[in-house]
Amino acid sequence: SQQGEEDPQALSIQEGENATMNCSYKTSINNLQWYRQNSGRGLVHLILIRSNEREKHSGRLRVTLDTSKKSSSLLITASRAADTASYFCATPTSNSGYALNFGKGTSLLVTP
Amino acid sequence: DAGVIQSPRHEVTEMGQEVTLRCKPISGHNSLFWYRQTMMRGLELLIYFNNNVPIDDSGMPEDRFSAKMPNASFSTLKIQPSEPRDSAVYFCASGTANTEAFFGQGTRLTVV
Repeated sequence: SQQGEEDPQALSIQEGENATMNCSYKTSINNLQWYRQNSGRGLVHLILIRSNEREKHSGRLRVTLDTSKKSSSLLITASRAADTASYFCATPTSNSGYALNFGKGTSLLVTP
Repeated sequence: DAGVIQSPRHEVTEMGQEVTLRCKPISGHNSLFWYRQTMMRGLELLIYFNNNVPIDDSGMPEDRFSAKMPNASFSTLKIQPSEPRDSAVYFCASGTANTEAFFGQGTRLTVV
């Protein structure tokens, strides 16, 4: 099965700074997704980027995808304390796109 | 729509007892997924259904685990007999192919 691996495992920054998280995966994919999980809660979808896209924006989020390097990055600009959470990348288990495999996540702490 | 609904939110049971976790997916979604989350292993895909049919149950750890989806609006994950190492947060999610997955709030299971 394919699985994304996030890097770094943990990241601590101050409010206003940018946070960058990276994800590497192993085999060809047709899309890659990023999710957020607040402590004790379920995962929430942030953004989906398809294999024919190189960059995608959503508010303060910017996601890039490099299929030649099998990697993706999530950038959160002008971070806020409320961005404190774990962030996961996810890739389909097959190109039929049924289920997702998740990495172990990056734990982000944003301090005021 | 109320989103994916899981019950119970918390379950404490004694080793050897049967545990049944329940999930109501979002109406109109044809895929349903069961995940388990632990600190050690992260998010593991246990099983997923498409149009109520189990597609891949290779993630189910042992025969003690079973899952059913009798109709499009209900699924169960059963553990019989339960063991302390089954303690984890179990998530149900629903979606459609090649799109985002919507997660429930999870069931925190503690087996003592």
